[in-house]
Amino acid sequence: DIQMTQSPFTLSASVGDRVTITCRASQSISSWLAWYQQKPGKAPKLLIYKASSLESGVPSRFSGSVSGTEFTLTIRSLQPDDFATFYCQQYDSYPWTFGQGTKVEVK
Amino acid sequence: EVQLVESGGGLVQPGGSLRLSCAASGFTFSGYWMHWVRQDPGRGLVWVSRIKTDGSLTNYADSVKGRFTISRDNARNTLYLQMNSLRAEDTAVYYCAREGNGTPFGVWGQGTTVTVSS
Repeated sequence: DIQMTQSPFTLSASVGDRVTITCRASQSISSWLAWYQQKPGKAPKLLIYKASSLESGVPSRFSGSVSGTEFTLTIRSLQPDDFATFYCQQYDSYPWTFGQGTKVEVK
Repeated sequence: EVQLVESGGGLVQPGGSLRLSCAASGFTFSGYWMHWVRQDPGRGLVWVSRIKTDGSLTNYADSVKGRFTISRDNARNTLYLQMNSLRAEDTAVYYCAREGNGTPFGVWGQGTTVTVSS
């Protein structure tokens, strides 16, 4: 199985901050990488797919990039609604696998 | 409105069975691959199973292979997950999710909780 390693596990930030979350795949997955946001008691919400494509309706302050097997989710200017847990997921090969999550909390 | 609504979760003893349902609305259900994903506090999000549009192809995670069966009824716009020989480690929130064209899980249900305990 492809292992997805996210960092950091927890991130403390303030409104307006630029936030970066990293996800590394254990092998090449091309650009088959998605990012999700999840709030307590809710289902995950797709933010980014194919490493850098923004899902319809998602604010443009969210962006994704890739360099080899390292993927990055960036929130340009953190908003109050953005405090949540973020997950990466590879969908290059089965079983599709997720990172362990990064919780973005109030500093 | 595109919507997925799960049901069928509950408390079951180890070795027992449960069938989850996922009712789809607002889109052409028969045109999409569908998946089950589960989440527990210890292991995070884990893909469980998928089924092709017409039900002719299914895949399972190793941890549930031989115990769980995914199926669908396109006439009823409903996805199912039959879970047998349940174990404590199957305790989780189970989500159904829709795979898109070039996207993984663009639509999720609200989840249904399965607790396996004596």
